[in-house]
Amino acid sequence: EPEVTQTPSHQVTQMGQEVILRCVPISNHLYFYWYRQILGQKVEFLVSFYNNEISEKSEIFDDQFSVERPDGSNFTLKIRSTKLEDSAMYFCASSEAPKGKETQYFGPGTRLLVL
Amino acid sequence: EDQVTQSPEALRLQEGESSSLNCSYTVSGLRGLFWYRQDPGKGPEFLFTLYSAGEEKEKERLKATLTKKESFLHITAPKPEDSATYLCAVQSGGSYIPTFGRGTSLIVHP
Repeated sequence: EPEVTQTPSHQVTQMGQEVILRCVPISNHLYFYWYRQILGQKVEFLVSFYNNEISEKSEIFDDQFSVERPDGSNFTLKIRSTKLEDSAMYFCASSEAPKGKETQYFGPGTRLLVL
Repeated sequence: EDQVTQSPEALRLQEGESSSLNCSYTVSGLRGLFWYRQDPGKGPEFLFTLYSAGEEKEKERLKATLTKKESFLHITAPKPEDSATYLCAVQSGGSYIPTFGRGTSLIVHP
């Protein structure tokens, strides 16, 4: 069964460092998303991406964040200068288009710890 | 602003003891309501999508129903492997951004 994959599974970084989280969406999906979940809290939307551009973004997704689809399979989230409060699980998700695009399939997540 | 409230926050059941989880929502124009299962340290695993009041979907021991204000996830004769956090999320209006509830943590004792 096709699935979304994410790497790395865990990342520890120092405050102020840049991190890149990687995702490989399901191959026939065209809509991609990033979410985060701070420990013990709700899943929160960050950004959606379609046709090589951002479709929607939340208030959390400020200038420190960027997304990119560098090739035909990868989708990345970059945090330029990490802060302590960026520590969270980051989930990538994808959905198909045009029909069924409402249903999003999530990856296993990257646990980011900023020290 | 979309609101999603799940209850109870936590639920402990004995194996075989059926029960229901609730997700109440306030949105302007429901596009879809979603149920996910999340195991500790893992990503949400898609279970069901419901689009309109009266709709029902089933998968093994799980059955999801939808009204205009809430959705229920019924668990029939649960097993210990059903232990997980169950998340509800809604999409509304012209957006595909889901708003998640806090989830119900279910523990099924053997």
